[in-house]
Amino acid sequence: AQSVAQPEDQVNVAEGNPLTVKCTYSVSGNPYLFWYVQYPNRGLQFLLKYITGDNLVKGSYGFEAEFNKSQTSFHLKKPSALVSDSALYFCAVSLTSGTYKYIFGTGTRLKVLA
Amino acid sequence: DTEVTQTPKHLVMGMTNKKSLKCEQHMGHRAMYWYKQKAKKPPELMFVYSYEKLSINESVPSRFSPECPNSSLLNLHLHALQPEDSALYLCASSQDLSGRASTDTQYFGPGTRLTVL
Repeated sequence: AQSVAQPEDQVNVAEGNPLTVKCTYSVSGNPYLFWYVQYPNRGLQFLLKYITGDNLVKGSYGFEAEFNKSQTSFHLKKPSALVSDSALYFCAVSLTSGTYKYIFGTGTRLKVLA
Repeated sequence: DTEVTQTPKHLVMGMTNKKSLKCEQHMGHRAMYWYKQKAKKPPELMFVYSYEKLSINESVPSRFSPECPNSSLLNLHLHALQPEDSALYLCASSQDLSGRASTDTQYFGPGTRLTVL
């Protein structure tokens, strides 16, 4: 069965420090991986995705993620956190069978402390 | 422009009411989605339309009825809902180039906050 895990319910980081939000996956075949951010009472905003190619993917708002096939991970990173980055982050994997379904992780709440 | 709009922003309805949620996109996307999201949980897929045809129904109760009048519009008709149906309802769209749906980015609207009394 294909699945996505976000092992941390919440991550706290001081403003200006680097942040990491973890995601691991289990899929058959090639994974297509996505990160989204959700601010309170809003929809999900797309940050970045990995389809193929360079393992380091750069996205919106200074975020990047590294695809690691051997560790089946796709951790989201930012070199310097902002208070405005505080939000709920979802990792998702797309099924490779040509369907339209995402499998979402359970979400990680990021809190950036001033 | 990667905008998906949804109306209304908030909706309160009784269990005997009939109401509709509306979603619109002008990105030329040919796949449109309805999701239900409970607080602090990931979105749950309800329906997918591809080229205005219903492609996926995730065993959603018949009190939810989707409609795709054209390639830009998606509606969700609500009737005889239960209090447990209270949630944030999200619409999304994606390009849906043939055979590459798995790699498509889904773009989400801001959602409709539904409360069923």
